[in-house]
Amino acid sequence: EVQLVESGGGLVQSGGSLRLSCAASGFTFSSSWMHWVRQVPGQGLVWVSRVNSDGSTTNYADSVRGRFTISRDNAKNTLYLQMNSLRVEDTAVYYCARDTPYSGSYHVDYWGQGTLVTVSS
Amino acid sequence: QSALTQPASVSGSPGQSITISCTGISSDVGGYNYVSWYQQHPDKAPKLMIYDVSNRPSGVSNRFSGSKSGNTASLTISGLQAEDEADYYCSSYTSSSTLYVFGTGTKVTVL
Repeated sequence: EVQLVESGGGLVQSGGSLRLSCAASGFTFSSSWMHWVRQVPGQGLVWVSRVNSDGSTTNYADSVRGRFTISRDNAKNTLYLQMNSLRVEDTAVYYCARDTPYSGSYHVDYWGQGTLVTVSS
Repeated sequence: QSALTQPASVSGSPGQSITISCTGISSDVGGYNYVSWYQQHPDKAPKLMIYDVSNRPSGVSNRFSGSKSGNTASLTISGLQAEDEADYYCSSYTSSSTLYVFGTGTKVTVL
């Protein structure tokens, strides 16, 4: 069974930093591309970032590029999101998600339960 | 990159069919057959219901179906059941620097 468990969320002041983690199990993590997606409570989903299977290629939404860094440790089956220069508008539930294993397709198929990040002014 | 446009709410009676639309542009929905749909119950993680416009993952009821025409994709739920009451989001791959875009979300209410 695919399991994704996020941690590291919490309350931080504007301008501060936070690192989120996502522990993966139930699948071959080292072969999977991974994503972070966020959701302001009561609002819609917004894609944040993606990393390829060996961590050598990363992509970011314009709103976080230059402030957030996605990375992974395949030996620990763990995905990370380092968030710097946090803004009030970064307040959201952050989900870790697995990219589809089907080549030639683009979507996420499994999601974690999310971790809440609150940025105060 | 703007969010894909979905109706804010759709409702139906048990047993009826409903359709949720998802409108984008030529660089996302219209340009690729990579539209997916997610179901989200309150305070739960999203669940994949449809991928690549019309494919159902294993375990998803065949009451859920997807289609696309031009820049608009659609999710149809037939034989509506109480458990289908949830928020639904579409998503598409996009050629912009933001690789994926989600829809604004639709709240489905079973009357």
